[in-house]
This record gives sequence, structure tokens and C-alpha cells, in this order.
Amino acid sequence: DTAVSQTPKYLVTQMGNDKSIKCEQNLGHDTMYWYKQDSKKFLKIMFSYNNKELIINETVPNRFSPKSPDKAHLNLHINSLELGDSAVYFCASSQGGLAGQIFGPGTRLTVT
Amino acid sequence: GNSVTQMEGPVTLSEEAFLTINCTYTATGYPSLFWYVQYPGEGLQLLLKATKADDKGSNKGFEATYRKETTSFHLEKGSVQVSDSAVYFCALSGDSGNTPLVFGKGTRLSVIA
Repeated sequence: DTAVSQTPKYLVTQMGNDKSIKCEQNLGHDTMYWYKQDSKKFLKIMFSYNNKELIINETVPNRFSPKSPDKAHLNLHINSLELGDSAVYFCASSQGGLAGQIFGPGTRLTVT
Repeated sequence: GNSVTQMEGPVTLSEEAFLTINCTYTATGYPSLFWYVQYPGEGLQLLLKATKADDKGSNKGFEATYRKETTSFHLEKGSVQVSDSAVYFCALSGDSGNTPLVFGKGTRLSVIA
């Protein structure tokens, strides 16, 4: 069973479109995250949710809107896509900071 | 704020060579420290962790010791294999639960036969 899954794995779209990425975890974790990995492999936190509540929003443009319908799911909707949004987006989950976070396989977004 | 600095890559080693990837951190309080590995085309996997000073994390022949006095968490392996070729990330999380990870910039390791 996949612990943290994301769909789609690849997403190619044009500038100006709106797209969503979905994330699900079956670990029973309370906290979920979205990270962005840029072309130089640098990873940076975007959002963090705990029990469906937003707890961290790291100066991400408001074109990005996370939604957590329940604590096992954290989706990411992006409006008016821009070239600079091209990156790999990773979902992760954790139960307490000491155990570390479990990452999904990533979604490679390419905006043309 | 919290930050992680790790050595610039890429690092190229011959099989069976000794590996060290340096990592130092700046943090308030008592962070937990992690090494993650990203194999080509894949997501991040937790390699090892340490949650308090002098703890040693180990997995798959890799190890790292949490050194509070030098604020370091260097990754070592005695004999690398071609299959260890990947990007390695040092990371920390704050001392309150469920805080996001702060990552270093990653170090690409290539092991040649």
C-alpha cells in the first residue's frame, strides 16, 4: 500500500490555465504539507495543515489554494498558471516532528 | 530563522570509497535532524534521523551524529556503491511538533564502478 500518493505524476499545461494536484495519505497522520522543488533541486515549504486546519502559509502567491477535505487529503489548486510555477510539487505527512515526514512521489508540473 | 547548510556538489567517488557529506545548521531550541535521499526520478526517502544531541542515526550503512557543540550532522558511509548515486538532503525540523522541514540545497553523489 502506498503511504502517501499524489496524482497526477506529470502535468503539462499552458500558461493561464487552472490545475489541481491531489494528495492522499493512509498513515493516519494529523499533519500534511506541500513542498516545491525547483529546477536546482531546492525544496521549500509552501503550506502545512494540521487536522484540516491551515497552520503555515509561506508567502506563496494567492493563486495557490490548498484544500483539506479531511485529514487524509490535502489538495493543491493553482489558478492562472505561470511559467515560473514549473517545478516538482511534493506532498508529505507526519505525526509529530520527531519521526520525520513521509513524502509522496511528487508531481512534475510543466507550464508552457 | 532556522537554516541548513550542506556542502556543494556534485561529489564523484569510486565504488568502495569513503563518503562524507557535511551539514551544519542554525536553529533555536532543540531541532530534530534528518537526512533524506532522492534517487533519480523519484521522491524523497527518509534515510536516517536524530532527535537529540549525541544521537547517532544509521541506515543502509550510512550514519550521522547530532553534534550540538559544532551544530553539525555530517553524513558518512564507509564504502559506497553505484546504487548510492542520488541527491542527499540534510534537513531539520523545529522543536515543536509537526513543524515543516527546512532543507539544505542538496548534494548530488555519483558513484562510478
